[in-house]
Amino acid sequence: SQTIHQWPATLVQPVGSPLSLECTVEGTSNPNLYWYRQAAGRGLQLLFYSVGIGQISSEVPQNLSASRPQDRQFILSSKKLLLSDSGFYLCAWSPDIDQPQHFGDGTRLSIL
Amino acid sequence: GENVEQHPSTLSVQEGDSAVIKCTYSDSASNYFPWYKQELGKRPQLIIDIRSNVGEKKDQRIAVTLNKTAKHFSLHITETQPEDSAVYFCAASGTGNQFYFGTGTSLTVIP
Repeated sequence: SQTIHQWPATLVQPVGSPLSLECTVEGTSNPNLYWYRQAAGRGLQLLFYSVGIGQISSEVPQNLSASRPQDRQFILSSKKLLLSDSGFYLCAWSPDIDQPQHFGDGTRLSIL
Repeated sequence: GENVEQHPSTLSVQEGDSAVIKCTYSDSASNYFPWYKQELGKRPQLIIDIRSNVGEKKDQRIAVTLNKTAKHFSLHITETQPEDSAVYFCAASGTGNQFYFGTGTSLTVIP
């Protein structure tokens, strides 16, 4: 069966520091991969999605970037974090468009 | 791109009553509509989904209806229980490989 792993679970970072969040999927190949951000009490904002290695689409301009160095690995990064980057970051995968998305457990990021 | 609106933002019902959450979408090309349940601090989990070639789908106490002409779909939960309390999100597939989520409905079932 397929599983998705996301780490770390929580992270506290100072303003201006770099960021790297990692997500990996097991048990499938060539998945669609997604990064979402969820502010407290709010909905899911799509940040990036990828349909293959090295293919990244960005939904909103921001302080973040994403990379997919391997088929089942998706990384969210920032060179210098802002206070507004705080939130709950969720990675998700789906086998194809028009198929259910499956979410990781999320990373709660706090910027001080 | 797609725009998904969800109502109401909060909903309180008595245990045993029904709950209905409604979503509208803008992109007539959208053809896949999942619903997710998210408990506090946890990941969203798929509870039911519907495709554009179907008007209604039911799974025990949960049902979803879709009106493609009007571009709206709804989640129906019958015989609500306290464990149904959570935030519910609707979503619609975009013209690319992305999904667009509604803003969520916080459902409280009062025992």
